[in-house]
Amino acid sequence: NAGVTQTPKFQVLKTGQSMTLQCAQDMNHNSMYWYRQDPGMGLRLIYYSASEGTTDKGEVPNGYNVSRLNKREFSLRLESAAPSQTSVYFCATSGQPSYEQYFGPGTRLTVT
Amino acid sequence: QKEVEQNSGPLSVPEGAIASLNCTYSDRGSQSFFWYRQYSGKSPELIMSIYSNGDKEDGRFTAQLNKASQYVSLLIRDSQPSDSATYLCAVTSGNTGKLIFGQGTTLQVKP
Repeated sequence: NAGVTQTPKFQVLKTGQSMTLQCAQDMNHNSMYWYRQDPGMGLRLIYYSASEGTTDKGEVPNGYNVSRLNKREFSLRLESAAPSQTSVYFCATSGQPSYEQYFGPGTRLTVT
Repeated sequence: QKEVEQNSGPLSVPEGAIASLNCTYSDRGSQSFFWYRQYSGKSPELIMSIYSNGDKEDGRFTAQLNKASQYVSLLIRDSQPSDSATYLCAVTSGNTGKLIFGQGTTLQVKP
């Protein structure tokens, strides 16, 4: 079992470019999450999907879009990257009733 | 604004000592409480979950929850240099699956 996988591991973008971060899980969890982690800011929720077919905004959704492609996959898209989106992005999944979240290895994104 | 507060540290303890990490939260509706360990450059790793008042022990780790005081703690006994990491406290937002994370406490265990 791979658990939660994320691609790519590293990415450098120029301002204005777009990209999609991919996340996949084989834990059969219903809920999936996208976070960003910045020094001094902790983990902040960007978007989440409580179940297949639903998505909701988190704390910092501006500049991002998401797609819950199926139960296994949840992607995060940056339409026009900005330097303020330089961060480490983590995908996580959870199942009920415990709500324990399990994280992928992360994507380090730099926007120049 | 629902918050989770942790002392950022660093908390420095000698090898073999007990490390005590603390966390307070503001949402009285929170039902589930978690401790994650994050090594530098790595992703958060779940180490303890606690759902009811009292203590929960797992190996060298003990989580303590006091809902009346809105307080969660993590004790690490016989601390090892390999325990040196940032420890994140997380609580559920009300009765949802969303987690609110503290900013983490950096623990340094000195040989």
